Amino acid sequence: GIQVEQSPPDLILQEGANSTLRCNFSDSVNNLQWFHQNPWGQLINLFYIPSGTKQNGRLSATTVATERYSLLYISSSQTTDSGVYFCAVEQWNDYKLSFGAGTTVTVRA
Amino acid sequence: EPEVTQTPSHQVTQMGQEVILRCVPISNHLYFYWYRQILGQKVEFLVSFYNNEISEKSEIFDDQFSVERPDGSNFTLKIRSTKLEDSAMYFCASSGTENYGYTFGSGTRLTVV
Repeated sequence: GIQVEQSPPDLILQEGANSTLRCNFSDSVNNLQWFHQNPWGQLINLFYIPSGTKQNGRLSATTVATERYSLLYISSSQTTDSGVYFCAVEQWNDYKLSFGAGTTVTVRA
Repeated sequence: EPEVTQTPSHQVTQMGQEVILRCVPISNHLYFYWYRQILGQKVEFLVSFYNNEISEKSEIFDDQFSVERPDGSNFTLKIRSTKLEDSAMYFCASSGTENYGYTFGSGTRLTVV
């Protein structure tokens, strides 16, 4: 099956700092999503982004499908941004999401 | 914004008991899924369901597990004879034919004691 690798595995930030999370995948995909798992365990959908760039407030994401990677940018980080960020992809004709291992982000006040 | 609803949010069960986890997918979605996340680990695919039948299942989804869509709105995961290692967060998800991706429910945290 497709391999999804996220880096870094852990990230510690000071409040107000910017950061970039990376997701590499091993094959062509028709769907890529970024999720934030909050301290209660809920998976919050951040972006549906199989290609191109999207922005939502302080978060933005870029997927370069031809080079098989996606980036999630967090700007002016806040303590509420803490949690685990997952990248998940779906291959053509596969009809399921495959998740990476996640990046654990800790934002300190 | 439409939501996927899961009940209960937490369940504690004795080892060997049967549990049923319930989900109400988004009403116009056609594809339904169950995923599992053991504490501290990645989210793993269990099963997908389309047109009233299983379309794919992982090797985790053995005879202990079953899924059902008993009516037009609910989608359930049954775990027979639960084991300690079934303790995990179980997520239901649904997707439609339009390209908006998958929507996940808030999860059911299952603890087997």
